[in-house]
Amino acid sequence: QQQVKQSPQSLIVQKGGISIINCAYENTAFDYFPWYQQFPGKGPALLIAIRPDVSEKKEGRFTISFNKSAKQFSLHIMDSQPGDSATYFCAPVGNQFYFGTGTSLTVIP
Amino acid sequence: GAVVSQHPSRVICKSGTSVKIECRSLDFQATTMFWYRQFPKQSLMLMATSNEGSKATYEQGVEKDKFLINHASLTLSTLTVTSAHPEDSSFYICSASPTGMDGYTFGSGTRLTVV
Repeated sequence: QQQVKQSPQSLIVQKGGISIINCAYENTAFDYFPWYQQFPGKGPALLIAIRPDVSEKKEGRFTISFNKSAKQFSLHIMDSQPGDSATYFCAPVGNQFYFGTGTSLTVIP
Repeated sequence: GAVVSQHPSRVICKSGTSVKIECRSLDFQATTMFWYRQFPKQSLMLMATSNEGSKATYEQGVEKDKFLINHASLTLSTLTVTSAHPEDSSFYICSASPTGMDGYTFGSGTRLTVV
Protein backbone atom coordinates (compact mmCIF):
# COMPACT_ATOMS: atom_id res chain seq x y z
CA GLN A 1 0.00 0.00 0.00
CA GLN A 2 1.40 3.33 -1.01
CA GLN A 3 1.50 5.44 2.12
CA VAL A 4 2.40 8.75 0.54
CA LYS A 5 1.34 10.15 -2.84
CA GLN A 6 3.02 13.29 -4.09
CA SER A 7 1.97 15.40 -7.06
CA PRO A 8 2.79 16.70 -9.56
CA GLN A 9 5.81 14.70 -10.64
CA SER A 10 7.25 17.75 -12.36
CA LEU A 11 6.41 21.42 -12.40
CA ILE A 12 7.57 24.35 -14.49
CA VAL A 13 6.86 27.82 -13.17
CA GLN A 14 7.73 31.27 -14.42
CA LYS A 15 9.92 33.40 -12.18
CA GLY A 16 7.74 35.27 -9.72
CA GLY A 17 4.95 32.73 -9.93
CA ILE A 18 3.56 30.41 -7.28
CA SER A 19 4.67 26.78 -7.10
CA ILE A 20 2.30 24.33 -5.43
CA ILE A 21 3.19 20.75 -4.57
CA ASN A 22 0.79 18.37 -2.90
CA CYS A 23 1.17 15.36 -0.66
CA ALA A 24 -1.57 12.91 0.28
CA TYR A 25 -1.06 10.32 2.97
CA GLU A 26 -2.85 7.30 4.37
CA ASN A 27 -1.39 6.77 7.82
CA THR A 28 -3.27 8.72 10.47
CA ALA A 29 -0.41 8.07 12.90
CA PHE A 30 1.77 10.63 11.12
CA ASP A 31 2.36 13.55 13.44
CA TYR A 32 5.04 15.59 11.72
CA PHE A 33 4.82 16.78 8.14
CA PRO A 34 8.05 18.09 6.58
CA TRP A 35 9.09 19.10 3.12
CA TYR A 36 12.64 18.53 1.96
CA GLN A 37 14.51 20.25 -0.85
CA GLN A 38 17.18 18.40 -2.80
CA PHE A 39 19.61 19.83 -5.33
CA PRO A 40 21.33 17.54 -7.83
CA GLY A 41 24.16 15.57 -6.30
CA LYS A 42 23.29 16.63 -2.75
CA GLY A 43 21.37 15.14 0.12
CA PRO A 44 17.90 16.47 0.97
CA ALA A 45 17.63 19.42 3.35
CA LEU A 46 14.70 20.18 5.61
CA LEU A 47 12.84 23.14 4.16
CA ILE A 48 9.77 23.58 6.33
CA ALA A 49 7.59 21.37 8.51
CA ILE A 50 4.27 21.46 10.30
CA ARG A 51 2.56 19.63 13.12
CA PRO A 52 -1.10 18.59 12.87
CA ASP A 53 -2.30 21.05 15.49
CA VAL A 54 -2.02 23.95 13.03
CA SER A 55 -3.40 24.35 9.53
CA GLU A 56 -0.76 26.60 8.06
CA LYS A 57 2.83 27.61 8.64
CA LYS A 58 4.75 30.26 6.78
CA GLU A 59 8.49 30.81 6.63
CA GLY A 60 9.51 33.51 4.22
CA ARG A 61 8.34 32.56 0.74
CA PHE A 62 7.50 29.01 1.80
CA THR A 63 4.14 27.99 3.24
CA ILE A 64 2.77 24.64 4.31
CA SER A 65 -0.99 24.15 4.28
CA PHE A 66 -2.30 21.18 6.21
CA ASN A 67 -5.72 19.57 5.87
CA LYS A 68 -6.05 16.89 8.50
CA SER A 69 -9.51 15.69 7.48
CA ALA A 70 -8.43 15.26 3.86
CA LYS A 71 -5.08 13.79 4.91
CA GLN A 72 -3.24 16.18 2.67
CA PHE A 73 -0.58 18.82 3.02
CA SER A 74 0.91 21.09 0.44
CA LEU A 75 3.93 23.28 -0.12
CA HIS A 76 3.47 26.73 -1.62
CA ILE A 77 6.46 28.66 -2.90
CA MET A 78 5.60 32.28 -3.44
CA ASP A 79 7.57 34.52 -5.83
CA SER A 80 9.37 31.45 -7.18
CA GLN A 81 12.99 32.04 -8.16
CA PRO A 82 15.36 30.13 -10.46
CA GLY A 83 17.34 29.18 -7.34
CA ASP A 84 14.28 27.26 -6.13
CA SER A 85 14.73 24.82 -9.01
CA ALA A 86 15.22 21.52 -7.22
CA THR A 87 13.43 18.32 -6.31
CA TYR A 88 11.02 18.51 -3.39
CA PHE A 89 9.96 15.61 -1.23
CA CYS A 90 7.27 15.32 1.39
CA ALA A 91 8.20 12.87 4.12
CA PRO A 92 5.58 12.53 6.86
CA VAL A 93 6.76 10.98 10.09
CA GLY A 94 4.97 8.88 12.64
CA ASN A 95 5.85 5.42 13.78
CA GLN A 96 7.45 5.09 10.37
CA PHE A 97 9.06 7.41 7.91
CA TYR A 98 7.98 7.62 4.29
CA PHE A 99 9.32 9.70 1.43
CA GLY A 100 7.05 10.94 -1.30
CA THR A 101 7.98 10.26 -4.91
CA GLY A 102 9.37 13.73 -5.42
CA THR A 103 8.52 16.76 -7.54
CA SER A 104 11.03 18.27 -9.91
CA LEU A 105 10.52 22.02 -9.92
CA THR A 106 11.97 24.20 -12.65
CA VAL A 107 11.63 27.95 -12.35
CA ILE A 108 12.32 29.66 -15.64
CA PRO A 109 13.62 33.23 -15.72
CA GLY B 1 22.31 23.69 13.19
CA ALA B 2 22.73 19.95 13.18
CA VAL B 3 25.24 18.68 10.65
CA VAL B 4 25.70 15.21 9.23
CA SER B 5 28.96 14.71 7.40
CA GLN B 6 29.21 11.97 4.80
CA HIS B 7 32.38 10.79 3.09
CA PRO B 8 33.46 10.22 0.44
CA SER B 9 31.27 12.30 -1.84
CA ARG B 10 32.29 10.30 -4.87
CA VAL B 11 33.98 6.96 -5.27
CA ILE B 12 34.79 4.78 -8.24
CA CYS B 13 35.74 1.20 -7.59
CA LYS B 14 36.39 -1.93 -9.55
CA SER B 15 33.85 -4.71 -9.65
CA GLY B 16 34.44 -7.20 -6.84
CA THR B 17 36.01 -4.76 -4.42
CA SER B 18 34.47 -3.32 -1.26
CA VAL B 19 33.74 0.32 -0.51
CA LYS B 20 33.16 1.96 2.87
CA ILE B 21 31.02 5.06 3.29
CA GLU B 22 31.14 7.04 6.54
CA CYS B 23 28.38 9.06 8.11
CA ARG B 24 29.15 11.30 11.09
CA SER B 25 26.94 13.48 13.21
CA LEU B 26 29.18 16.45 13.94
CA ASP B 27 27.38 18.31 16.71
CA PHE B 28 24.94 15.85 18.16
CA GLN B 29 24.74 12.25 19.19
CA ALA B 30 22.73 9.87 17.08
CA THR B 31 21.70 6.52 18.48
CA THR B 32 19.95 5.87 15.21
CA MET B 33 21.05 6.67 11.68
CA PHE B 34 19.42 5.78 8.42
CA TRP B 35 20.87 4.71 5.09
CA TYR B 36 19.15 5.38 1.80
CA ARG B 37 19.74 4.60 -1.82
CA GLN B 38 18.58 6.89 -4.58
CA PHE B 39 18.45 6.15 -8.29
CA PRO B 40 18.41 9.00 -10.83
CA LYS B 41 15.20 11.00 -10.80
CA GLN B 42 13.71 8.77 -8.12
CA SER B 43 12.86 9.12 -4.48
CA LEU B 44 14.98 7.96 -1.59
CA MET B 45 14.64 4.29 -0.72
CA LEU B 46 15.31 3.38 2.89
CA MET B 47 17.84 0.56 3.00
CA ALA B 48 18.45 0.10 6.69
CA THR B 49 18.28 1.62 10.14
CA SER B 50 21.59 1.72 11.94
CA ASN B 51 21.43 1.37 15.73
CA GLU B 52 24.36 2.27 17.95
CA GLY B 53 25.70 -0.77 19.72
CA SER B 54 23.38 -3.25 18.07
CA LYS B 55 22.60 -4.82 14.74
CA ALA B 56 21.16 -2.80 11.94
CA THR B 57 17.61 -3.35 10.79
CA TYR B 58 17.35 -3.92 7.05
CA GLU B 59 14.39 -3.20 4.84
CA GLN B 60 12.83 -6.01 2.89
CA GLY B 61 14.84 -6.91 -0.18
CA VAL B 62 18.10 -5.37 1.02
CA GLU B 63 20.93 -7.89 1.30
CA LYS B 64 22.49 -7.48 4.72
CA ASP B 65 25.58 -9.45 3.71
CA LYS B 66 26.21 -7.10 0.80
CA PHE B 67 25.48 -3.87 2.63
CA LEU B 68 27.27 -4.12 5.96
CA ILE B 69 26.37 -1.46 8.49
CA ASN B 70 28.34 -0.67 11.61
CA HIS B 71 27.30 1.91 14.18
CA ALA B 72 30.16 1.70 16.64
CA SER B 73 29.74 5.08 18.31
CA LEU B 74 27.06 7.70 18.89
CA THR B 75 28.47 9.83 16.10
CA LEU B 76 29.58 7.40 13.44
CA SER B 77 27.84 4.88 11.21
CA THR B 78 29.47 3.17 8.25
CA LEU B 79 28.03 1.41 5.24
CA THR B 80 30.28 -1.06 3.45
CA VAL B 81 29.25 -2.25 0.03
CA THR B 82 30.94 -5.63 -0.26
CA SER B 83 31.94 -7.28 -3.52
CA ALA B 84 30.49 -4.37 -5.41
CA HIS B 85 29.00 -4.86 -8.87
CA PRO B 86 27.91 -2.34 -11.49
CA GLU B 87 24.29 -2.68 -10.39
CA ASP B 88 25.31 -1.34 -6.97
CA SER B 89 26.20 1.97 -8.61
CA SER B 90 23.92 4.54 -7.04
CA PHE B 91 23.69 7.58 -4.79
CA TYR B 92 23.84 6.60 -1.12
CA ILE B 93 22.66 9.00 1.57
CA CYS B 94 22.63 8.81 5.35
CA SER B 95 20.51 10.74 7.82
CA ALA B 96 20.00 11.22 11.53
CA SER B 97 17.75 13.24 13.78
CA PRO B 98 19.21 15.53 16.47
CA THR B 99 16.08 15.07 18.53
CA GLY B 100 15.68 11.38 17.88
CA MET B 101 12.50 12.01 15.96
CA ASP B 102 10.79 14.37 13.55
CA GLY B 103 13.10 16.45 11.39
CA TYR B 104 16.06 14.65 9.92
CA THR B 105 19.41 15.97 8.80
CA PHE B 106 20.89 14.33 5.74
CA GLY B 107 24.44 13.83 4.65
CA SER B 108 25.54 15.22 1.32
CA GLY B 109 25.46 11.79 -0.26
CA THR B 110 27.99 9.46 -1.87
CA ARG B 111 27.99 8.78 -5.59
CA LEU B 112 29.24 5.22 -6.03
CA THR B 113 30.27 4.05 -9.46
CA VAL B 114 31.34 0.45 -9.91
CA VAL B 115 33.27 -0.26 -13.10
